[in-house]
Amino acid sequence: DAKTTQPPSMDCAEGRAANLPCNHSTISGNEYVYWYRQIHSQGPQYIIHGLKNNETNEMASLIITEDRKSSTLILPHATLRDTAVYYCIVIEEYGNKLVFGAGTILRVKS
Amino acid sequence: DVKVTQSSRYLVKRTGEKVFLECVQDMDHENMFWYRQDPGLGLRLIYFSYDVKMKEKGDIPEGYSVSREKKERFSLILESASTNQTSMYLCASSFSQAGAYQPQHFGDGTRLSIL
Repeated sequence: DAKTTQPPSMDCAEGRAANLPCNHSTISGNEYVYWYRQIHSQGPQYIIHGLKNNETNEMASLIITEDRKSSTLILPHATLRDTAVYYCIVIEEYGNKLVFGAGTILRVKS
Repeated sequence: DVKVTQSSRYLVKRTGEKVFLECVQDMDHENMFWYRQDPGLGLRLIYFSYDVKMKEKGDIPEGYSVSREKKERFSLILESASTNQTSMYLCASSFSQAGAYQPQHFGDGTRLSIL
């Protein structure tokens, strides 16, 4: 029962912003949007999360639409090391497990 | 930085063997998790623990057990390994904040092959 929908793959030029979309039209009021990524041969890495306000940290920005039905992860200056599978997940405030879908394969090219 | 260390990156075992996968975290996290990751099936939770000596079943606990004798260490045990347990095993840990979800931090995984 998929809660999020992401494009299967995207390409981005090195140094440009990478904008990764995610649809979560059935999100409920107490569910957060989380983003993780998984670089080849490594474990998943937490990136950022938000409830309804836009968020920014040292890795990325998260833009959530006002109706909360979709969001966009922005990597402002993508590098080759950002090539990875990016997972958008919705988690209940008091949930305790991650369920990854297929994610988006982001390829950053020089 | 949080460090979650899994004892082996690659492991090959035989059917019927008892297999131990070890995980250690250095951030004093209360919660620890074991997942397996398979192509086309995504990430699936096997067991988790929210305190020493406490454990909860995840979605696919059959054929596995866990042990948490110390806060920093969480072990996954395959009681009698079978070929369908060939997989990538991932350990994660997180803080516990009044039960609310906190970001999980992962190790680099153990790729286990059962022959």
